[in-house]
Amino acid sequence: EVQLVQSGAEVKKPGESLKISCKGSDYSFANYWIAWVRQMPGKGLEWMGVIYPDDSDTRYGPAFQGQVTISADKSVSTTYLHWSSLKASDTAIYYCARLVHSGGWCVSWGQGTLVTVSS
Amino acid sequence: QSVLTQPPSVSGAPGQRVTISCTGSSSNIGAGYDVHWYQQLPGAAPKLLIYDNINRALGVPDRFSASKSGTSASLAITGLQAEDEADYYCQSYDTSLSGSGVFGGGTKVTVL
Repeated sequence: EVQLVQSGAEVKKPGESLKISCKGSDYSFANYWIAWVRQMPGKGLEWMGVIYPDDSDTRYGPAFQGQVTISADKSVSTTYLHWSSLKASDTAIYYCARLVHSGGWCVSWGQGTLVTVSS
Repeated sequence: QSVLTQPPSVSGAPGQRVTISCTGSSSNIGAGYDVHWYQQLPGAAPKLLIYDNINRALGVPDRFSASKSGTSASLAITGLQAEDEADYYCQSYDTSLSGSGVFGGGTKVTVL
């Protein structure tokens, strides 16, 4: 069964850096696009960007360009979401999801990682 | 404000039919991009419900159906059940956002 397992919840202070992860298993990880999706408290889903692990081709949603960095290491079947300087407004649940193909639907989802940024 | 507009909430009694609209524009649904639907139960990750406008994902009951026309799409739930109480999101892509994916704002379905 295709699985995406995300790293655990994080509590950070404003200005700190953070990298969360999403590890895929039971499929050819390098050959499927992975999307990152944000859900702020009590709000809807927001498309952050996608990455193709085989060559790390990355495309960001306009609202997230320059705000986060998406990366991948296909040798360990893992994709990452990185902040260099967190803000309180980054408090949210972050999901990774596997796309069936570029421009397609999110066929499998990770369990989500709660990131809390508070002084 | 999402480029795909959904009603914030819909409700219905058990057994009734409810529909959720997803209104886009010529840069997303109207540009020919397919629409996909997800269900998010309380406290859970989203789950694929419908892909490519009309196709139910594996294991999804046939009470769920969807359609697309012009710049809009819709999801229908017939024979509403208590377990259908959840948030529902449409998703597509948008040329005005450099081809980025986009979600609708989400619709809360309440079973009365």
